[in-house]
Amino acid sequence: RKEVEQDPGPFNVPEGATVAFNCTYSNSASQSFFWYRQDCRKEPKLLMSVYSSGNEDGRFTAQLNRASQYISLLIRDSKLSDSATYLCVVNRNNNDMRFGAGTRLTVKP
Amino acid sequence: DGGITQSPKYLFRKEGQNVTLSCEQNLNHDAMYWYRQDPGQGLRLIYYSQIVNDFQKGDIAEGYSVSREKKESFPLTVTSAQKNPTAFYLCASSIPGSLEAFFGQGTRLTVV
Repeated sequence: RKEVEQDPGPFNVPEGATVAFNCTYSNSASQSFFWYRQDCRKEPKLLMSVYSSGNEDGRFTAQLNRASQYISLLIRDSKLSDSATYLCVVNRNNNDMRFGAGTRLTVKP
Repeated sequence: DGGITQSPKYLFRKEGQNVTLSCEQNLNHDAMYWYRQDPGQGLRLIYYSQIVNDFQKGDIAEGYSVSREKKESFPLTVTSAQKNPTAFYLCASSIPGSLEAFFGQGTRLTVV
């Protein structure tokens, strides 16, 4: 079993739709959590950190459920520019970061 | 400007040759990482280093070697022992405390 698992998708949604991604992790000692965005043939870039209390950044909302060991990302009012692969990242307390395989999103006109 | 620089962007090598990928950062980050990404797949950890002169194997270290002689530099050598070296290689460094990672632009290695 992979340490960080994501549904690979692809998710194909129309503009304006709301879409949600989930990610599960197996190491209960994991300390910090992130969502990264990766455009085709580019490096990943930080989208947002994920906090236990949940956090929101504009159209994006991230949630963490430590008891069930999953992380979620909700995108509201999808834009064409949201099309990318979204990577779930889990960091142990020793700077050992593990990435999920990513969920591919395509937003269509 | 601060950042992480990987070079070269594209690299071609003949099978059986060792090749070294460069990664330099001027962000004063302690931790640095090397990942490999294959088409349609996520990132897999090759090696990481938390401080100078120290590094640990990741999930797929076989056929690779690293060094961390300076804080700014974390070169990766892809040896002839790596059976399938053609891939996109990404170097990253992270901020102490927040653990947010910053990535270089990557090196596409093709072995022919």
